[in-house]
Amino acid sequence: EIVLTQSPGTLSLSPGERATLSCRASQTVSSNYLAWYQQRPGQAPRLLIYSASSRVPDIPDRFSGSGSGTDFTLTISRLEPEDFVVYHCQQYGNSPRTFGQGTKVEIK
Amino acid sequence: VQLLESGGGLVQPGGSLRLSCAASGLTFNEFAMTWVRQAPGKGLEWVSTISGSGGSTEYPGSVKGRFTVFRDNSKSTMYLQMNSLRGGDTAVYYCARGGGALDVWGQGTTVTVS
Repeated sequence: EIVLTQSPGTLSLSPGERATLSCRASQTVSSNYLAWYQQRPGQAPRLLIYSASSRVPDIPDRFSGSGSGTDFTLTISRLEPEDFVVYHCQQYGNSPRTFGQGTKVEIK
Repeated sequence: VQLLESGGGLVQPGGSLRLSCAASGLTFNEFAMTWVRQAPGKGLEWVSTISGSGGSTEYPGSVKGRFTVFRDNSKSTMYLQMNSLRGGDTAVYYCARGGGALDVWGQGTTVTVS
């Protein structure tokens, strides 16, 4: 089973700043099948990025994904107030599919 | 596209529960479907995936042998039969479209084992 470790657990930043979230896999993620989700309190997750770097239509271009192999990054170029929520990474290239434990982006 | 889960509730350890996920706005049989759960205050956990035809299913070790996913494409509905429930199964259960990256999610249904 591939274990995904997200860091940091909590990221404290101010609106307008750049956020860099890490997702590290215990083994190579096949075909870089790595997704990022945003989850607001009390809501279901929302898909932001798939295949490590492909942004879902209608997702603002301040969100970008990068990385390959075992190291992946979600970058939010300029934080908006609605971006201060939780982000999850998921690998779906290997079975069982697994998720990271999440990173919370909070207002500093 | 909309997914609507139902069937959650309070169940005793060792009991059973069946969840449903009704889909609308999509050609249901063209899509694999997935169940994901989230325990209180915890991260997401993949629970099961079923192919569009229903002929192929996958589970992680934590639920294999206890949970069964199946679908009725004529009703655009997916189900999760959960048996031998444990306290660790307490969670919000979401259904989602896809077998990999999950691009549409339901609002979730809560299962409490106590």
